[in-house]
Amino acid sequence: LAKTTQPISMDSYEGQEVNITCSHNNIATNDYITWYQQFPSQGPRFIIQGYKTKVTNEVASLFIPADRKSSTLSLPRVSLSDTAVYYCLVGDRSYDMRFGAGTRLTVKP
Amino acid sequence: ETGVTQTPRHLVMGMTNKKSLKCEQHLGHNAMYWYKQSAKKPLELMFVYNFKEQTENNSVPSRFSPECPNSSHLFLHLHTLQPEDSALYLCASSQTREGDSTDTQYFGPGTRLTVL
Repeated sequence: LAKTTQPISMDSYEGQEVNITCSHNNIATNDYITWYQQFPSQGPRFIIQGYKTKVTNEVASLFIPADRKSSTLSLPRVSLSDTAVYYCLVGDRSYDMRFGAGTRLTVKP
Repeated sequence: ETGVTQTPRHLVMGMTNKKSLKCEQHLGHNAMYWYKQSAKKPLELMFVYNFKEQTENNSVPSRFSPECPNSSHLFLHLHTLQPEDSALYLCASSQTREGDSTDTQYFGPGTRLTVL
């Protein structure tokens, strides 16, 4: 199982772009990179998934360099409601992925 | 979201009680999961059922007993729990598939369990 490393916490202000980087040096060829968001006392929610280069959806972008040993979740123009814990997971099947400690993002007014 | 439902949402039980947590998914998925989330700790994967067969048991104490009667329902039977078992118990489901992407998990709202 690929191990991931993320910053424990980050602070930002409303309207700013936030980039959260995840390291996964032992990512396997078949592994995808998936990010989840979790609010207090709720289950995690899928944000975005990618394999290589760049993926963008309506809420976030995911940048993956050619070596795939890291990835960066980019949240454009964050608001107070984006305050949550963000998890980076790596694997080729959900049951092979493990949640780490995640990154606690605090958005300030 | 109502794709994955869990009941009850809150449960208080004594150490000698027997209770069950229920999870139901309405997404047509073929895999279901139980997670435990204690305060200020990462989510811990407890059990995985893939096509109704248990494929993983992460050294969970026997006082937790899972049951998956069909691909839409998952239970967690609890007996003689300890106070340290108090936590948020989350159920999730996913559709495992071959192809150019991997499956993602859909989580229920969780059951907040307190063991007295």
